[in-house]
Amino acid sequence: SQQGEEDPQALSIQEGENATMNCSYKTSINNLQWYRQNSGRGLVHLILIRSNEREKHSGRLRVTLDTSKKSSSLLITASRAADTASYFCATDSRSNTGKLIFGQGTTLQVKP
Amino acid sequence: GAVVSQHPSWVICKSGTSVKIECRSLDFQATTMFWYRQFPKQSLMLMATSNEGSKATYEQGVEKDKFLINHASLTLSTLTVTSAHPEDSSFYICSASLTLGGLVTEAFFGQGTRLTVV
Repeated sequence: SQQGEEDPQALSIQEGENATMNCSYKTSINNLQWYRQNSGRGLVHLILIRSNEREKHSGRLRVTLDTSKKSSSLLITASRAADTASYFCATDSRSNTGKLIFGQGTTLQVKP
Repeated sequence: GAVVSQHPSWVICKSGTSVKIECRSLDFQATTMFWYRQFPKQSLMLMATSNEGSKATYEQGVEKDKFLINHASLTLSTLTVTSAHPEDSSFYICSASLTLGGLVTEAFFGQGTRLTVV
């Protein structure tokens, strides 16, 4: 079953602009992870944020987590055409087993 | 980072036959691995939890007799799609997580297997 929803489902921006994707989930979590998937390919891990963290940065990526609202956001700054992909959030529940429940994903298109 | 290898990366089989997909953790031991399925333009759906040395735990709606999971060693889990039908055509992907100091870290995913049943 899906944990929650992501919005927007699709996002199209110009190179250089920022892209923000949101993720909501339903149950208590141990951590939330963001992944990227190029069309028809495997998943690439981007960032893991734990339930006691509020914000995390990695290069051009910034992730926030609000456990009171059960939501997270992924910000990609200064986007590039190569950032075009699908982005998924995934939650690991309180049991912290590595079992992930994925959101529906956001398809990002960055136009050169 | 840790590496999870999945094989084959793609397979075409005839309806009614069985297909085995392998998932290996190459540089770490994984007592637990997970199998997901992804239909075109959709998200990943968890199918089952593969437990080393014991029976797999299947998610609701997933037929355990159709999707046989074996986790005979700490580095290998296999998923066998039995009596495959065209509706089983999908992208199958496995994952395993590292445990450091009792804390589960990020999940590492295999490259995925594109199954096409004709």
